Amino acid sequence: LAKTTQPISMDSYEGQEVNITCSHNNIATNDYITWYQQFPSQGPRFIIQGYKTKVTNEVASLFIPADRKSSTLSLPRVSLSDTAVYYCLVVDSNYQLIWGAGTKLIIKP
Amino acid sequence: DTGVSQDPRHKITKRGQNVTFRCDPISEHNRLYWYRQTLGQGPEFLTYFQNEAQLEKSRLLSDRFSAERPKGSFSTLEIQRTEQGDSAMYLCASSLGRTQGGYTFGSGTRLTVV
Repeated sequence: LAKTTQPISMDSYEGQEVNITCSHNNIATNDYITWYQQFPSQGPRFIIQGYKTKVTNEVASLFIPADRKSSTLSLPRVSLSDTAVYYCLVVDSNYQLIWGAGTKLIIKP
Repeated sequence: DTGVSQDPRHKITKRGQNVTFRCDPISEHNRLYWYRQTLGQGPEFLTYFQNEAQLEKSRLLSDRFSAERPKGSFSTLEIQRTEQGDSAMYLCASSLGRTQGGYTFGSGTRLTVV
């Protein structure tokens, strides 16, 4: 069973900020939160990873509240090319990736 | 190094035939993983190697599936006596040692069993 719950799909428009929230109520102390992006007919691509508070890189930001039971991936000023499936994963101490169905993000012009 | 390479990109085979896929990981990565992905679902773990040792296999991996990584570099995944239910995208990923999630995936091999 996937350890995370995220919306099945989301729509937004070019230039907007998009926030995708993921629930992981049973996250353990040593678990990390990781997000991947996947385009059709391609393998997933690592976006960002965090343990707590906020992490930012050149692509996205990841916000994790103190209880760590959820996380939010923030994509600033999206473009049409950000249309993809986004996966939230909790990576446990066995470094095993257990994937859910992801969030299908559609960006409209 | 151009990342993780998988060959072929597409494979159509008749039911009952054997197929073999190849994965070339990033050269300095010592861990290599195989996943299977069906339409609308996330990837499903099959097996992984550390160097040439196969350390874990999913219980979902039937006896018809076998994977090798003979010299700790490239890996092959063979499916014997293919069934229509084997139709899926087969993904390979690699990493340097243990990592909390920064795996590099290849573009996958799309298998269609007819």
